[in-house]
Amino acid sequence: DADVTQTPRNRITKTGKRIMLECSQTKGHDRMYWYRQDPGLGLRLIYYSFDVKDINKGEISDGYSVSRQAQAKFSLSLESAIPNQTALYFCATRGQLTDTQYFGPGTRLTVL
Amino acid sequence: SQQGEEDPQALSIQEGENATMNCSYKTSINNLQWYRQNSGRGLVHLILIRSNEREKHSGRLRVTLDTSKKSSSLLITASRAADTASYFCATANSGGSNYKLTFGKGTLLTVNP
Repeated sequence: DADVTQTPRNRITKTGKRIMLECSQTKGHDRMYWYRQDPGLGLRLIYYSFDVKDINKGEISDGYSVSRQAQAKFSLSLESAIPNQTALYFCATRGQLTDTQYFGPGTRLTVL
Repeated sequence: SQQGEEDPQALSIQEGENATMNCSYKTSINNLQWYRQNSGRGLVHLILIRSNEREKHSGRLRVTLDTSKKSSSLLITASRAADTASYFCATANSGGSNYKLTFGKGTLLTVNP
């Protein structure tokens, strides 16, 4: 089984809809991250969390919110989706004793 | 804003040749990492080099770091068709409670059989 899973893997929605992307991990890591990837722009950090009570904004947090329901779960919400939020979204984790991040398979989101 | 910038943006080579990708960054770092991404999939960590290291090897990968020039290079020797992927450098800021990675835009490597 994959260590970092994301659901759904693909989602098509309409402008104005509320969307939640979920991330779960079995690595036991305390640090979790949400990134967005757009063609030609690499990955940009949306939000990150160092533990259940610690949530931090990344460089592009506007229009997004997150919830850390447990150490193993970190959800990303788009309260009112807009077309320029169409992108590939990745969740990643990192342990306290490692500098490496471990990525999920990604969620491809299309907002029409 | 992007910290790392890879060069070239795209690279096409023949199987068996070496591939070199470069990364430049702007501010001081704790470490620099290279990740690989197959089309549309998650990133996979390849190698990490710390700011006090100059060169590191892992299998067919060789990474160098020049902190005076704020640049790094990734060399893949004896490339294979399976090495076809996008390669990203990521810089880690100088530690502390706010530690996070900043990714570059990537180099798309195509290895032709």
